[in-house]
Amino acid sequence: GEDVEQSLFLSVREGDSSVINCTYTDSSSTYLYWYKQEPGAGLQLLTYIFSNMDMKQDQRLTVLLNKKDKHLSLRIADTQTGDSAIYFCAESFRGNTPLVFGKGTRLSVIA
Amino acid sequence: NAGVTQTPKFRVLKTGQSMTLLCAQDMNHEYMYWYRQDPGMGLRLIHYSVGEGTTAKGEVPDGYNVSRLKKQNFLLGLESAAPSQTSVYFCASSDRAYGYTFGSGTRLTVV
Repeated sequence: GEDVEQSLFLSVREGDSSVINCTYTDSSSTYLYWYKQEPGAGLQLLTYIFSNMDMKQDQRLTVLLNKKDKHLSLRIADTQTGDSAIYFCAESFRGNTPLVFGKGTRLSVIA
Repeated sequence: NAGVTQTPKFRVLKTGQSMTLLCAQDMNHEYMYWYRQDPGMGLRLIHYSVGEGTTAKGEVPDGYNVSRLKKQNFLLGLESAAPSQTSVYFCASSDRAYGYTFGSGTRLTVV
């Protein structure tokens, strides 16, 4: 079945880069997403990448996709205290199929 | 503002009571989903719907029922609440692959 794995915790110093990793098992996944959840809040879509892409950059965010290894990463440059949150990796087989989520990585930014 | 609205935002139930969570979207999306979020577990799919009048089971459907009588509404029912159903419930809707929109969540406590 589908499975998405993430490490549970990451701690970085303010100003450093953060890299959050995710692996998935379903090779037919077409769309891969990163969501951010701040304490007590809902889910905010950060970025997404199609399976026919290797990289996507959006301001401080860089997403890398290695389809061979089924590995997805999210790099946050110049990490700020406001980036402290839980980050979820999610996949879907095709548009409009239910998203399958990882357990989330809690990012703590130390000032 | 267009989006997904969940009601209520908070609720405390006694074991054995019943309740219905309402999800409403005004984006004319065909697809709607109910997830539950528990600490360290990520988001797990309860039920989903691919159109008005249709529903399907997700990963953790036991103890829940759903209905999609109108395209814009997706109802999640708990017939006899149990403490194990204490969770944060998120509704989402989608129409395009990257167009998943989440509600702000319902925090349910069963005592």
